[in-house]
Amino acid sequence: EVQLVESGGDLVQPGESLRLSCAASGFIISSNYMSWVRQAPGKGLEWVSLIYSGGTTFYADSVKGRFTISRDNSKNTVSLHMDNLRAEDTAIYYCARHYCNVGTCYYFESWGQGTLVAVSS
Amino acid sequence: IQMTQSPSSVSASVGDRVTITCRASQGISNLLAWYQQKPGKGPELLIYGASSLQSGVPSRFSGSGSGTDFTLTINNLQPEDFATYFCQQANTFPLTFGGGTKVEIK
Repeated sequence: EVQLVESGGDLVQPGESLRLSCAASGFIISSNYMSWVRQAPGKGLEWVSLIYSGGTTFYADSVKGRFTISRDNSKNTVSLHMDNLRAEDTAIYYCARHYCNVGTCYYFESWGQGTLVAVSS
Repeated sequence: IQMTQSPSSVSASVGDRVTITCRASQGISNLLAWYQQKPGKGPELLIYGASSLQSGVPSRFSGSGSGTDFTLTINNLQPEDFATYFCQQANTFPLTFGGGTKVEIK
C-alpha cells in the first residue's frame, strides 16, 4: 500500500528556516516524480516544488531561491528545506506522488495527510 | 495558466446530479485532473486526462472537455460525496489548480 507521511511542520517567526520531510512506503521515491503542494488555511491548492526521478528540480516563483527540494534514496524520503519564511508561507504542506499518463506526468496520484507550517511573530 | 472553477459552492441533496465547471485561461488539450478533498485530509485523484476515471473511483463520477472548458459531473450524489472539488491543469509549469467547489448538503 502506498503511503506518504509528512513531518516537520511548526510555528516559526518570519525569516526563520524549517525543514519538512515526507516518508514514503509502498513504492520507491527515486523512481517517481514527487512534489510538495501547499494549502493556506481555508484556501485552495498551490503547487510549490517538484523533483524528477532523474533529480531535476522545479519551483513556483513564490518560493524560488528560498525553498529547496531534495530526496534521500537510502531513507526513501523527500524533503523541503524552507529559508527566509514569510507570513504568506503559512499553510498545510502536502507531499504528493505523481502519476503519468499520455502526454504528461503532472497529475498527483497519492497525497499525504499534510503538515502545518505557521509563520508568525 | 489560470484555472477558474464555478460555482464556488453548491447545495444539493442525496440522489441529485451536480455539475462543476473549470475553465483554463489558455488551451491545455485534455491535460486536466479533478480531485476530491474532505476536511482534514489530502486531496484524492478522481479523474485524469479530463475524462479517465482513476482506479477505485465510483462510476457516478465523470469528466469531459478539452481545450479550455471542462466539466465534472457527479450523478446520484451520495453522502460520502459532500466535499470540496478542485481541477488542476497538467500542461504547463507552474502547475495550477482551480479555486475549488464545495458541495454541501441542502
